[in-house]
This record gives sequence, C-alpha cells and structure tokens, in this order.
Amino acid sequence: GEQVEQLPSILRVQEGSSASINCTYENSASNYFPWYKQEPGENPKLIIDIRSNMERKQTQGLIVLLDKKAKRFSLHITDTQPGDSAMYFCAASDSGYNKLTFGKGTVLLVSP
Amino acid sequence: ETAVFQTPNYHVTQVGNEVSFNCKQTLGHDTMYWYKQDSKKLLKIMFSYNNKQLIVNETVPRRFSPQSSDKAHLNLRIKSVEPEDSAVYLCASSYPRDTEVFFGKGTRLTVV
Repeated sequence: GEQVEQLPSILRVQEGSSASINCTYENSASNYFPWYKQEPGENPKLIIDIRSNMERKQTQGLIVLLDKKAKRFSLHITDTQPGDSAMYFCAASDSGYNKLTFGKGTVLLVSP
Repeated sequence: ETAVFQTPNYHVTQVGNEVSFNCKQTLGHDTMYWYKQDSKKLLKIMFSYNNKQLIVNETVPRRFSPQSSDKAHLNLRIKSVEPEDSAVYLCASSYPRDTEVFFGKGTRLTVV
C-alpha cells in the first residue's frame, strides 16, 4: 500500500506571507495527488490537485509542485489571509479506483 | 454545496449496541467510499464500492459491514460498537480514476 508523510503538523504565519506544506510518498505507482482543506466542523474540500504527468500547477494563489523522482509534492499558499486558517491534507492515489491515502494533516494558522 | 448526504449527523450509543449510517450522493458518481476520521483528525479509508461492488476493503474489524443497494447509496453498519469506534465517519464519492473525491459532512459517532 501507500504511505504519505506530511510536514509540518502545525504552521504559523503572518497574514500576507507565504505558507508551504510538504508531503512524501512511497509508491512510485501513485499518479494522483490532491490537496484538501478542512475547516472546523466541516467536510474536507478539494482545493487543488496534480497528476503525475505534470510538475507544477497553479490556481488562485495556490501552487502545487510534484517531484516524481524524489516522490515529493508540496503546496504553496501565496499571500495568506486569515481565511486560509484551517487543516490541510495531502493525499496520494495509487490505484485505478481512486483509493486515497492521506497525510496526517497540517494546521495552518494565519495571524493578522 | 453538499451533494453527498449523510444521516444521522450525530449518534451517541453505548458499548455493544448496533448502529447504522446512511449515505446518498446526487453527483452521478460510480464510486463511493467510507472514511474514518479519528480524534487526531487522521483520515483513513475503510471501504470503497464501484457500481455496488466492493473493491477496497482495508483492514477493518469484522463488526463493520458496508452495504450498497445502488451506485448512489452506501450504508455502514457497525455491530457491537466499541469505544475506539468513536470517530467521524465520512462518506464520499467520485468517478473511478484520479478525480476529485467529494466528501459528505460526516456522522459523528460517540460510544459511551
């Protein structure tokens, strides 16, 4: 099966700065890497994803990078706002049926 | 906007009782999942169904049994609950391959 490590577990940043979360995976067959944001009491929601045929993807202040050789992918949030404060999960899918293995999550705290 | 509907939202029960959770998705997806999110927010897949067929069955105690009547519905029954079953059970759905997984708002189970 797949194992996904996610760091840091807690990330504190000042409003307007950038935040980076890093994940590594073990299974070289993994080919889909989504990122989810979960606010307190809410369900996880997809914010950005990347497939193994890409190295970089950007949307609305979010950048995700994928290094397949190093089995590493990362999320970068530019110009953070207090509304970005939440739990963030990375995940990897290594099967044809979209079985996601999640990292342990990162609590992002953006202070004004 | 929620398109994966779970009932009940909360359930409190005593050790040894049986509980059932229901899930319905209106997205037309072929694949549905049960995930468990524990008190540390760890997200782990339990089961996955594709068109009513069980395709992923992680190492889950035998007291857990999923059931799917059609591709839009997936239920979870837990016979004889134990304290470690206290968690949020998240139902989700997606198309089969490398696509966004949509989560419901979860059923919070508390076993006393």
